[in-house]
Amino acid sequence: KQEVTQIPAALSVPEGENLVLNCSFTDSAIYNLQWFRQDPGKGLTSLLLIQSSQREQTSGRLNASLDKSSGRSTLYIAASQPGDSATYLCAEDQTGANNLFFGTGTRLTVIP
Amino acid sequence: NAGVTQTPKFQVLKTGQSMTLQCAQDMNHNSMYWYRQDPGMGLRLIYYSASEGTTDKGEVPNGYNVSRLNKREFSLRLESAAPSQTSVYFCASSEASQGNEKLFFGSGTQLSVL
Repeated sequence: KQEVTQIPAALSVPEGENLVLNCSFTDSAIYNLQWFRQDPGKGLTSLLLIQSSQREQTSGRLNASLDKSSGRSTLYIAASQPGDSATYLCAEDQTGANNLFFGTGTRLTVIP
Repeated sequence: NAGVTQTPKFQVLKTGQSMTLQCAQDMNHNSMYWYRQDPGMGLRLIYYSASEGTTDKGEVPNGYNVSRLNKREFSLRLESAAPSQTSVYFCASSEASQGNEKLFFGSGTQLSVL
């Protein structure tokens, strides 16, 4: 059974700090790995999608990496801001049919 | 642009009642999905529709039915609601179901079954 794990469940950092969020998955035969952001009471917003043939993707202050051999992905956020406070979820797609398996998320709080 | 619109936003049901959650997207996407989100469990796929006229079961389909009414709309029906179906339900869409396509989510329906 597919399992996606995100540790820690919650993280608080001071504004300006660089941080890394972790995502582990059990099966290295993935099609892609996606990172989402969820604000309280809202839906999910897609941040980055890393295809299985890629090692990383970047968007602004965000950088996501993928290591299939170790079953890990990381989301790096540079120079964190209070507006980055949200829950970050990773999800793996094993078949390419967008049937995503989600982790339970890391709730990030950036303290001004 | 509205994106993915879900109605209602909140609903309280009694055990055994039925209801339909509505979802519509205005991005001309081919694929649509229904997920549920429970505390400590992450999002789980209930049903999906890869294209108009097709539907398939996801990880947790029991107790639900879906209808892909047309390309824009994908509804989720609870025929006889149970307390275990208390959850937040999200509809999502993507341009296609194959390839590396990003998903776009609605803002969710919070359902409580008493």
